[in-house]
Amino acid sequence: QSALTQPPSVSGSPGQSVTISCTGTSGDIGRHYNAAWYQQTPGTAPKLIIFEVRNRPSGVPHRFSGSRSGNTASLTISGLQPEDEADYYCSSYTDTSVMFGGGTKLTVL
Amino acid sequence: QVQVVESGGSSVRPGGSLRLSCTASGFTFSDSYMTWIRQAPGEGLEWMSYISDGGEARYADSVRGRFTVSRDNARSIVYLHMTNLRNDDTAMYFCSRGRIYSDFWGQGTRVTVSS
Repeated sequence: QSALTQPPSVSGSPGQSVTISCTGTSGDIGRHYNAAWYQQTPGTAPKLIIFEVRNRPSGVPHRFSGSRSGNTASLTISGLQPEDEADYYCSSYTDTSVMFGGGTKLTVL
Repeated sequence: QVQVVESGGSSVRPGGSLRLSCTASGFTFSDSYMTWIRQAPGEGLEWMSYISDGGEARYADSVRGRFTVSRDNARSIVYLHMTNLRNDDTAMYFCSRGRIYSDFWGQGTRVTVSS
């Protein structure tokens, strides 16, 4: 069960846009057309912010968006806010397991 | 509202056993997959297991054969039975609703394995 590949860190200034990539294989992201993204701030549980590649749960701001191309899913945060500083994890699944990316620390400069 | 609450975490010696509980409310538990995910100190998320509404379970390679998931639909509780615990099982253990993605998470229960 291989983890998905994310960049360890990204950064941006308030108001800018950042994109976090999540690379899997043809057996997970590429096959099932399915990726989810979670936001985690220190000391708290992860929070679902994107599911099924591009869908936002109720209450998640529209500045969070998801997409997929081939075996790579991406999370874009537009109009960065200071409160967006957090760790972000992607996930996908196979027929018998679920996997996470290693996480990306977003710093808002 | 939807709530998921984990309990049962504690300190245990290597080779020991522990049972975690996850009590759910605010949704139809018997129709829902439930998932266990853990996070070692300073590390990322690691999927461990899910259990279907019918009780079929899947496990990560790292815990298969040592951990067992079960559920009590009448009481809306899912259990994680952990045996032969190792130092690297030290983590915060989260319970969540869902299989492909987890839409509601508990706050976690901490397990420390140390001699």
